[in-house]
This record gives sequence, structure tokens and C-alpha cells, in this order.
Amino acid sequence: AQSVTQPDIHITVSEGASLELRCNYSYGATPYLFWYVQSPGQGLQLLLKYFSGDTLVQGIKGFEAEFKRSQSSFNLRKPSVHWSDAAEYFCAVAPRSNDYKLSFGAGTTVTVRA
Amino acid sequence: EPEVTQTPSHQVTQMGQEVILRCVPISNHLYFYWYRQILGQKVEFLVSFYNNEISEKSEIFDDQFSVERPDGSNFTLKIRSTKLEDSAMYFCASSGGGSVADTQYFGPGTRLTVL
Repeated sequence: AQSVTQPDIHITVSEGASLELRCNYSYGATPYLFWYVQSPGQGLQLLLKYFSGDTLVQGIKGFEAEFKRSQSSFNLRKPSVHWSDAAEYFCAVAPRSNDYKLSFGAGTTVTVRA
Repeated sequence: EPEVTQTPSHQVTQMGQEVILRCVPISNHLYFYWYRQILGQKVEFLVSFYNNEISEKSEIFDDQFSVERPDGSNFTLKIRSTKLEDSAMYFCASSGGGSVADTQYFGPGTRLTVL
């Protein structure tokens, strides 16, 4: 069955520390891959996306993600978190077809402590 | 920066009542979507809409649901007779193009509580 999994429900990280959020997918072929962030009271904002090419993708707000085909993973990283990075992060996939819908993971809530 | 807006931010209704959730997509976008997230569960696709008709819908989007673009700016989701299990956060999204390569921009959501 097709699925996207975010194994970590909640992560707490100190300000200035590095952050890595995990995402694994299970699809017949490599889907399109996305990371969205939702800050309190805000909509889902696209951080970055991977379609093809370089497996290390740069996004907004200093985030990057690495696609690893062998591990069916698309983990999100940030070298040094800021208090404003406290939010919920969603990994999403879409099949490689003319298909509009995104399938989301359950989300990871990030808490940043001073 | 243009953004998708949704009203109301929170709607409380009694079971069996009709609700209409409203969205104003980004003005030059042509493709519109509704997703929902039941508390503690994943964000789920409900429906996509283009050129005044539904492009695709999920199993969740049964006869109790309908969507409409009543004018040039609004995009609405109607639930005819709400059930307890319809309680969720409902997100509207829009995109300029219709392929998955086109970024979907999401609104802040409407939290629907059915009592």
C-alpha cells in the first residue's frame, strides 16, 4: 500500500542546535516529495520539493532535504534552529502522474527551547 | 505576498446541520483543493476543482459534500448534514497550474466542531 511515514511525533531541540526530521515513503515508483511547515494560526507553507536531479534540495528558511532512493527517505534538516522554527512539519508525496492530490504524513511537532 | 484566506477560523455546529466553509484562493490561481485533518490524524485530500467542475475526489467526499465557486473569488465547501466524525480542520489550497509540479498554497484552515 502507498504510504508516507513520519516516525517522530514530537521533537524538542535547543535553539542553535541542528534538527533532522525523518520521512519515509512506500510507493511503487519514486513519487514527488514535499515538506510543508505549519506555524500556529498559519496555513501550510511549502519549504521545499524534490522532483528529480540533485538529491540534496535547498528550501526556504535555511532548510534542506536529502532524497535517498535506497532508503525511500526524504529527511529534512536545518543546521541551526531558531525559536521561530517551532511549528509542525509535514512530509507529503504525490504520485508521478497527472494527479493533483498530495498525501501527507502525520506530522512532526518541533519545540525549540531556549 | 498573496495568500489563501479561510473563514471562519472556527465553526461550531450541531449534528445534522448544514455548514459552508469559505475560502478565497490566490487571485490568479485556477485550481482549487480541499483537504481535512481530523485531530491526531493525517491531512487527507478531499477534492480538487478546476474550470467549475470537480477534477478528482477522494472516498471521503461523498454525497454529503459539495464544492462551488459561486463568484470570481470564493471557493466553498458545503457539508449538507454534518456528522460527529466531520469534526476536523479543513484546509483550502490553490495552485496556478494543475499538475503536481505546481505548488499548492494552503490557507490557515477552518476548525469545524460538530456537537
